[in-house]
Amino acid sequence: TQLLEQSPQFLSIQEGENLTVYCNSSSVFSSLQWYRQEPGEGPVLLVTVVTGGEVKKLKRLTFQFGDARKDSSLHITAAQTGDTGLYLCAGAQLGQAGTALIFGKGTTLSVSS
Amino acid sequence: NAGVTQTPKFQVLKTGQSMTLQCAQDMNHNSMYWYRQDPGMGLRLIYYSASEGTTDKGEVPNGYNVSRLNKREFSLRLESAAPSQTSVYFCASRVGGSAYGYTFGSGTRLTVV
Repeated sequence: TQLLEQSPQFLSIQEGENLTVYCNSSSVFSSLQWYRQEPGEGPVLLVTVVTGGEVKKLKRLTFQFGDARKDSSLHITAAQTGDTGLYLCAGAQLGQAGTALIFGKGTTLSVSS
Repeated sequence: NAGVTQTPKFQVLKTGQSMTLQCAQDMNHNSMYWYRQDPGMGLRLIYYSASEGTTDKGEVPNGYNVSRLNKREFSLRLESAAPSQTSVYFCASRVGGSAYGYTFGSGTRLTVV
């Protein structure tokens, strides 16, 4: 059973468009993280959200943690070709401090000029 | 540069051969993790070590063993490689609990023929 469902799985857009990637679960998470991975490299942390309803902004990227801490979204405004990559959400399950993160299967984003 | 170092970067094994994947971090992180990444499957946890001297199984531990040699080093051993273990293996470390992000190595691409 996949605890974290990401959608869409693939996204191909033109430069300048906006997009949203979703990460959903039936489980509650104590925190949720977003990573970006480029080909041949390991994932790199973008953000951690901890509080239900929390919104964090990183330049053109906006991250939101659902009020019930079961879901999250990543919104990119005016996408650029440099945003191309695999976006992964990862969650730490509530009540299991110190245990490993569970990852979604990822969203592959392709931004063309 | 500070970070997580994995060796080797590429490896081809014959079925039944054994090998050890090495991972070292120089950030004084307490926790270390081994994941495998397969197309369409996302990142799946093999083993982790919450602190020096402890190791625990993850989602897919069969066919693997680990050793937390000291605080810096966490190795993954394949005793008798099988084609199903063809994958990209990532080591990661984290300074503390679930609110902290992972730092990943750049991965080992393993092919078992």
